[in-house]
Amino acid sequence: QSALTQPASVSGSPGQSITISCTGTSSDVGGYNYVSWYQQHPGKAPKLMIYEVSNRPSGVSNRFSGSKSGNTASLTISGLQAEDEADYYCSSYTSSSTPRVFGGGTKLTVL
Amino acid sequence: QVQLQESGPGLVKPSQTLSLTCTVSGGSISSGGYYWSWIRQHPGKGLEWIGYIYYSGSTYYNPSLKSRVTISVDTSKNQFSLKLSSVTAADTAVYYCARAAEDYDLDYWGQGTLVTVSS
Repeated sequence: QSALTQPASVSGSPGQSITISCTGTSSDVGGYNYVSWYQQHPGKAPKLMIYEVSNRPSGVSNRFSGSKSGNTASLTISGLQAEDEADYYCSSYTSSSTPRVFGGGTKLTVL
Repeated sequence: QVQLQESGPGLVKPSQTLSLTCTVSGGSISSGGYYWSWIRQHPGKGLEWIGYIYYSGSTYYNPSLKSRVTISVDTSKNQFSLKLSSVTAADTAVYYCARAAEDYDLDYWGQGTLVTVSS
């Protein structure tokens, strides 16, 4: 049981936009602006795509955007491309002793 | 560009100790400001933070693994290491080393190494 709840899967066609949600509590997502998103292709290490809710590291496409409302954070990918097909994990700072909590991951399929 | 590379046995027998080393290049562990971390991912599952070490030697361990985990650092070699004792099949996973920034964002990762626990 992951600390943060994500949908198991989402899908979209090339060019469309999709949104992945990440629901936590006031002790993590809702309490801090330290939500991150990672992209993981099969057999590869995760890659940081969004940090501090909505900031993109250098080199990450501006098609990726993040937001937060209450205890739910969201990752939106616009102009969907085949290369976006991957697993996506959210992560949040938390008031518990662990440095970060993770979501269970969402598999994005580009149709 | 910071790079991390895991090394160690890919097969460990039950009840033995899993030992992995992460070699860091393109940046110095001693420079401070980062938490050098071990993360694992069970096959087909999500991410689990095992623990981290700061260059000073201070550590954090996941409470669920704390009794079996030791993370150490060798600044002279720019390496940090993981030891997980009394392993079982449940410890079979891909083990990643990674760098965490002050807010614990994992900004650089190793490629990961699959460790299988089997006799």
